[in-house]
Order: sequence, then structure tokens, then C-alpha cells
Amino acid sequence: GNSVTQMEGPVTLSEEAFLTINCTYTATGYPSLFWYVQYPGEGLQLLLKATKADDKGSNKGFEATYRKETTSFHLEKGSVQVSDSAVYFCALRESNFGNEKLTFGTGTRLTIIP
Amino acid sequence: KAGVTQTPRYLIKTRGQQVTLSCSPISGHRSVSWYQQTPGQGLQFLFEYFSETQRNKGNFPGRFSGRQFSNSRSEMNVSTLELGDSALYLCASSLDTSYNEQFFGPGTRLTVL
Repeated sequence: GNSVTQMEGPVTLSEEAFLTINCTYTATGYPSLFWYVQYPGEGLQLLLKATKADDKGSNKGFEATYRKETTSFHLEKGSVQVSDSAVYFCALRESNFGNEKLTFGTGTRLTIIP
Repeated sequence: KAGVTQTPRYLIKTRGQQVTLSCSPISGHRSVSWYQQTPGQGLQFLFEYFSETQRNKGNFPGRFSGRQFSNSRSEMNVSTLELGDSALYLCASSLDTSYNEQFFGPGTRLTVL
């Protein structure tokens, strides 16, 4: 079945540091890939997505590139801010008709220290 | 445009009781999905409804059920509550079943004592 493996947290960084959160996946077909963010006390928000190999998703300074050869979708940001503190979830959506549910990773808690 | 709303936001129940949670999707959205979020299991898919029909179902026991109304509002029901059902239940809506843009509500925090 489909699965998503995320870097174990928690991750603590200083403001302006470079961020990488690793995500690898297993899927039978050609999934779409997503990063969601969950701020304290809130539901999930879509951060970025990529629907095919070599696509790069980007939003709010975050980027992730769909790498089919390494089945990865690592999240990066060049200079993090305190406001980026949240839980980040990598997810995939299988493209088979009738089986398009989202499969999530376990989440990575990120804390940015001023 | 109003976001996805879920009611109630917090619930406390005791073992053996049943509970109904409600989700109102974004206006115009016809697909509603439900997820259970726990510290141990993370986010797990419960089921998805589209046009009042269940399209997908996750690996949860039959105590977990749902439905969708003609206005796309959805409810999920959990019967015979167990301690392990304590979780944050998230509802997400999208225009259709493509999942390319799924919008999540703030969740209902259920505590089973």
C-alpha cells in the first residue's frame, strides 16, 4: 500500500537558519505530493503541492521538488522565522480512480527560536 | 468566503456513549473527508463523501459511520465509544474528488473518559 515516511521530530532551529524536512514515499502509481502545515490549535493548511515528477511546489518561501528517482519530496526554506513554528505533514494522493484518499506522514514538529 | 466549520469544537463523553460530529464545507464544495488525528497514529483517513455517497473508506471499525446531506454538510457518528477514540477529528472539503486543494476545518477535540 501507499506510505509516507517523514523525518522524525521535533526539529529546533534558530531564526534565519536553513530548513530541510525529509519526506520519502511509497506508491504503486504516480501520486500527487503535498506538504501541509498545522499551526497550534488549528486545522491543516495546504502549504504546497506537486502533481508530477520534477515539478517544484513553492509557497511562503518554502519549496519542495518531486523526485521520482529517489521517491522524495523534501521541504526546504532558506531562512526560517519564528512564525514558521508548526507541525509539517507530507502527504500523497494516489491517482487510481476510486482510491484517491490522502495518505499522511506522521508529521514533524518545528520550533524556531528567536 | 467562509472556511470549513466543525461543531462542536470540544466534546467530553464516557465509554459506551455515542457521539455525532458535524462539518459544514466551504460553499460550493461537494466532497467532504474525515480524518482522525492522534499522537500515536498520526492522521488517519476515515471516509470521504461526494454527492451524498461514500466514495472511500479507511480501515476503521463499523462503529465509525458518516453521511452527507444534499447541501454537502456531513456528519460522522461514533457509537459505543472507547478510550482509544479520544482524538482530534478533522473534516476537509474540496470542490470535487481530485484532492488537489483540500481545505481543513479546525477539528473537533473528542475526549472519552
